Amino acid sequence: QTVVTQEPSFSVSPGGTVTLTCGLSSGSVSTSYYPSWYQQTPGQAPRTLIYSTNTRSSGVPDRFSGSILGNKAALTITGAQADDESDYYCVLYMGSGFWVFGGGTKLTVL
Amino acid sequence: QVQLVQSGAEVKKPGASVKVSCKASGYTFTGYYMHWVRQAPGQGLEWMGWINPNSGGTNYAQKFQGRVTMTRDTSISTAYMELSRLRSDDTAVYYCARELDYYDSSGYQKAFDIWGQGTMVTVSS
Repeated sequence: QTVVTQEPSFSVSPGGTVTLTCGLSSGSVSTSYYPSWYQQTPGQAPRTLIYSTNTRSSGVPDRFSGSILGNKAALTITGAQADDESDYYCVLYMGSGFWVFGGGTKLTVL
Repeated sequence: QVQLVQSGAEVKKPGASVKVSCKASGYTFTGYYMHWVRQAPGQGLEWMGWINPNSGGTNYAQKFQGRVTMTRDTSISTAYMELSRLRSDDTAVYYCARELDYYDSSGYQKAFDIWGQGTMVTVSS
């Protein structure tokens, strides 16, 4: 059973930079997993931020960026703002039509 | 505009079934796979499976095999997710999400790009 790993929580100061990661319990994440990132605030549906590793979804500010760092997918927020305080989820395409979400990272901006 | 509108909240007893709908508008319904994702209270997102609205073909996460059925009605651009033999731990918000799938100069692109507003399903005796 493949597990997608994310940091349970992270904090960043306003104006700071934070990098959240998305890994695999076994193996390395590559672009072939088409990693994508979603932002969710309480009571709301997820919002698509980044897909296929580093493509920004329509309307997403350029302070959000995606990449592969080492053996993980990464979401970097540059110049964090108060309303970036949210839960962030990654999802990986495992092939053959199967997808797996990470457990999510709760980001605090303080 | 492109949107997915889901049916309203449901309360079901253990052992019953629930059927959630997801009506698409603003795009060609049969041109994009539709996924279902759920989120238990205070928990993360969990992928359940997809349906190809064009062919009706489906693919389900192993966890839900035998209990979930995804269907569609192309005449009204609506996808459905039915979960049977409900248990208390099926209490969750259920989302439909459109799969974006295309090829451009940067390569192959793949993600969930449009989400429904969610449907709360409560399983309680």
